[in-house]
Amino acid sequence: SQKIEQNSEALNIQEGKTATLTCNYTNYSPAYLQWYRQDPGRGPVFLLLIRENEKEKRKERLKVTFDTTLKQSLFHITASQPADSATYLCALPEIYNQGGKLIFGQGTELSVKP
Amino acid sequence: DGGITQSPKYLFRKEGQNVTLSCEQNLNHDAMYWYRQDPGQGLRLIYYSQIVNDFQKGDIAEGYSVSREKKESFPLTVTSAQKNPTAFYLCASNPGSRSPLHFGNGTRLTVT
Repeated sequence: SQKIEQNSEALNIQEGKTATLTCNYTNYSPAYLQWYRQDPGRGPVFLLLIRENEKEKRKERLKVTFDTTLKQSLFHITASQPADSATYLCALPEIYNQGGKLIFGQGTELSVKP
Repeated sequence: DGGITQSPKYLFRKEGQNVTLSCEQNLNHDAMYWYRQDPGQGLRLIYYSQIVNDFQKGDIAEGYSVSREKKESFPLTVTSAQKNPTAFYLCASNPGSRSPLHFGNGTRLTVT
């Protein structure tokens, strides 16, 4: 069955640097992959969706890449700010292109120091 | 403002009692979901419903029950059969397949 692996160790970076978070999956390559942000005690908030035929997607300071050969997605935050500190989750459909049933990684906690 | 409301935010129950978590959405979304989150683990799907009066089991449905009598409401009952009910429960919705999920802010259930 499909499994997602995200860095379990927290990522600590200095303000202004680029944060790079990794999401690896083990089985089939999905039709799309999503990234969410979660603050402590709150529900996740959707950030970006990237489809299998898209190598890269950008939104303001955020960039997501999707490499189906490596079975990996990278999530970048450029010019990071302390307000970017949160846990970031990646998610993909349980079945190739099925809607609804998403599998989530355990998330990577990002801490941006001023 | 449209969104998903989960209540209460914190819930305490004694072992052996059933408890119902509320989830209401005013986004007019067809699909609704319940996830459970434990420390250091990803979200795990409990139940989901793609249309009123219909729902399917997720990966960890044992010990839980749901109903979907109205489009805007999807309550989750944690029964006494659930072996480890203490967790953070998240409700979500989306307008249809492959759309991103909108989440509520969760209910933290503690059973002692």
